[in-house]
Amino acid sequence: NAGVTQTPKFQVLKTGQSMTLQCAQDMNHEYMSWYRQDPGMGLRLIHYSVGAGITDQGEVPNGYNVSRSTTEDFPLRLLSAAPSQTSVYFCASSYSSISTDTQYFGPGTRLTVL
Amino acid sequence: AQSVTQPDIHITVSEGASLELRCNYSYGATPYLFWYVQSPGQGLQLLLKYFSGDTLVQGIKGFEAEFKRSQSSFNLRKPSVHWSDAAEYFCAGSGNRDDKIIFGKGTRLHILP
Repeated sequence: NAGVTQTPKFQVLKTGQSMTLQCAQDMNHEYMSWYRQDPGMGLRLIHYSVGAGITDQGEVPNGYNVSRSTTEDFPLRLLSAAPSQTSVYFCASSYSSISTDTQYFGPGTRLTVL
Repeated sequence: AQSVTQPDIHITVSEGASLELRCNYSYGATPYLFWYVQSPGQGLQLLLKYFSGDTLVQGIKGFEAEFKRSQSSFNLRKPSVHWSDAAEYFCAGSGNRDDKIIFGKGTRLHILP
């Protein structure tokens, strides 16, 4: 099992550009989530999904969109990148609720917005 | 408001010494509590978790944590650290399955040879 995979590992964008961060898991987990990690801030939940077709907002959803068309994939879209979105992004999956079950994290995507 | 607090940003210990990383929470009922570890350049890995039962929880890599309701704490311990334990450690918690999970800001552990 590959677990949770994320692409790309690194990305540099200019302000206003759009991009999609990819996340896939092969553990047949229903729950998936996106976090951003900033120095001194820990991890903050952006969006999460409880199954295909169902998504909800986390703590810091503004500027990000998600969709979940399959169990395996949970892409994160930045429609118009801003320097404040410079961060390391982690995708995670869990068998049950992200709030009560073990989450399995991907290796992260380091995004810089100029 | 619900919160998870890690009071120490950095901790330095000598290899072979004991370790305790602090975590305090504010939840009304018995929370779900987690400790995750992040090695440099990698994602997070679960060390251990607690919801109910025995208040002393054993995890992977020789770590344990103790839930103390009276002190609203869930401190992580290890009797003897190894150089490979150098990493960032995150405490996380939630009130129930419908809550949003909250991560602490993390404690970076440095190991002296």
